[in-house]
Parts: sequence; structure tokens; C-alpha cells
Amino acid sequence: DQQVKQNSPSLSVQEGRISILNCDYTNSMFDYFLWYKKYPAEGPTFLISISSIKDKNEDGRFTVFLNKSAKHLSLHIVPSQPGDSAVYFCAANNAGNMLTFGGGTRLMVKP
Amino acid sequence: NAGVTQTPKFRVLKTGQSMTLLCAQDMNHEYMYWYRQDPGMGLRLIHYSVGEGTTAKGEVPDGYNVSRLKKQNFLLGLESAAPSQTSVYFCASSYWTGGYGYTFGSGTRLTVV
Repeated sequence: DQQVKQNSPSLSVQEGRISILNCDYTNSMFDYFLWYKKYPAEGPTFLISISSIKDKNEDGRFTVFLNKSAKHLSLHIVPSQPGDSAVYFCAANNAGNMLTFGGGTRLMVKP
Repeated sequence: NAGVTQTPKFRVLKTGQSMTLLCAQDMNHEYMYWYRQDPGMGLRLIHYSVGEGTTAKGEVPDGYNVSRLKKQNFLLGLESAAPSQTSVYFCASSYWTGGYGYTFGSGTRLTVV
């Protein structure tokens, strides 16, 4: 029973265009959502987060949107760059301090 | 700027062998975690610790044991390795998760043949 799902295993985007990565969750008790980025042979690194009381958080080229009624969040990258090519994991936090991760989406940004 | 260090980085085991994966952090974090990453499954929590001397089971604890004798170290043990434990293992640590998440190590790639 996956509580956090990323239904697209891969996404290909042209350099300069927008990348939109999606994530769905089932547990309404999650109070924080995070995105991690992972390059090959490295550990995941924290990218951006959003509290459940907000609907948008922006950090440079990265924006995360949260739709609580739909239990859906998305990560927008504008403009996409080749260096953004990586696996992106959506994660959700509950009050017990545990993160639940989605299956990941591999983003490929073509020059 | 060590952060979280995992050893070894690669290992091949025969079925039934045992081994210990070591995780060390130098950030004085209270919380430490062991995850495994499998294709399409994302990161699944094996065991975690909320402080020195404590451990708890995560989502997929069977076949693994852990110990946290010192605050900076978190050990993951496989007593009798099975091919199903072939995976990439990540250790992470955190002060808390409220918005800043975890600091991960670079992973250990384990193959059980």
C-alpha cells in the first residue's frame, strides 16, 4: 500500500522548457512534503519542501504546488537545464518524523 | 564537510553470508535511518533510530538488524544474506524533518549471489 505515488517513471523535456513532476498521496495526516533529487552513484539531496498549510513554495527555478483536496503535489522546474537530469523523489512527512518516499521519476533534459 | 559516510560502497555476498554496513555522521543529528532503494519502489525504510541506544522497525525490517551504540554511528547487519536483499542501501540522518529533510550518504551497492 504505497501512500506516496509517482505515476510517471520517466519524463523527457527539452532544455529551456518547463518540467512538471507529479506526486499523489493518500494519507491526509501528512504535514510536510519534500522533493529530493538524486544523481547516479550519489545519495538523494533535499531540493524543496512545502508545509501542508501552504499551496505554493518557490525557490529560484523550482516551485512546488500542493492541492490538498486532490492529495496531489507537483514540482515545476522553469527553465529546465541539462544539469537537472536526475531522479526526483517526492516524500511526505508525518508527525513521527518519518519520511515516506514515492517511487521516483527520472527526468531527462535534452540540450 | 563529511556529512554522512557509508562503508563499504560496494559488496558482493554469497547467499547465507553475513555482513555489517556502517553509517557515520558528524552533524550531531539525533535521528538516523537506513533505507533500501529498488527499481520502481523508491526508498523504503528498513530501521531507524531516534537517539543513541534506540532502534525501531521501519517498513521492511525482516532480515536486518541494527544498532546505535554511539550517537554518530548506525550499523545495519545482515545475518544471513538472501538474493532478495540485493539493493542499494542508503543511510540518512536528521535533526528533525520539518521542511529540511534528511542528509543522505552516497549509498552501498550490495549484490547477493
